[in-house]
Amino acid sequence: DARVTQTPRDKVTEMGQEVTMRCQPILGHNTVFWYRQTMMQGLELLAYFRNRAPLDDSGMPKDRFSAEMPDATLATLKIQPSEPRDSAVYFCASGFRGGPGGDEQFFGPGTRLTVL
Amino acid sequence: QQQVKQSPQSLIVQKGGISIINCAYENTAFDYFPWYQQFPGKGPALLIAIRPDVSEKKEGRFTISFNKSAKQFSLHIMDSQPGDSATYFCAASMIGSGGTSYGKLTFGQGTILTVHP
Repeated sequence: DARVTQTPRDKVTEMGQEVTMRCQPILGHNTVFWYRQTMMQGLELLAYFRNRAPLDDSGMPKDRFSAEMPDATLATLKIQPSEPRDSAVYFCASGFRGGPGGDEQFFGPGTRLTVL
Repeated sequence: QQQVKQSPQSLIVQKGGISIINCAYENTAFDYFPWYQQFPGKGPALLIAIRPDVSEKKEGRFTISFNKSAKQFSLHIMDSQPGDSATYFCAASMIGSGGTSYGKLTFGQGTILTVHP
């Protein structure tokens, strides 16, 4: 069945290293979201793409985070350089804006990032 | 104005009981109110959603009650089961017809529900 996939599922890295997280949205979906989940802040929206165009990345620290959609089947979230405060679970979600399902977002399993 | 406030933070219910989680919002432009359910180690998944043109929506044991004038909505889980133990998030968005704000979900802080057998 169709689902959002994310890689890697777990990532442990040292402070200062570059981290790249990947997401494959559900085929045919035209919106992609990146969220960060922590105990303290809950679910925070980092970036939002529609038809591969970035619409809103106001939730993302611009100096170290970047999000792209090189093509319709791949979304990436990069952190460079990583810091311990970036430790969180990062979720990708996709949806179809304008479809019969309304604004349902389908979440991937997440990437658990630990920055030492 | 973009906040969605959710309570309680945690809830313990006996099997067969009713679980009630409440949310309040400020932005009157919100027109879509979903509830998401998240199990440990998994991503959130849509449970049930409501538009503001109705005051209640029921799907099986799950009911959303919506009070537009009070800007509040709640999730009721009837006959709660141990398998319902999860974290529940309310959310709100503007579906609208375009623009960069439309389609973005603003989530509440989450409620950890534990249903004891």
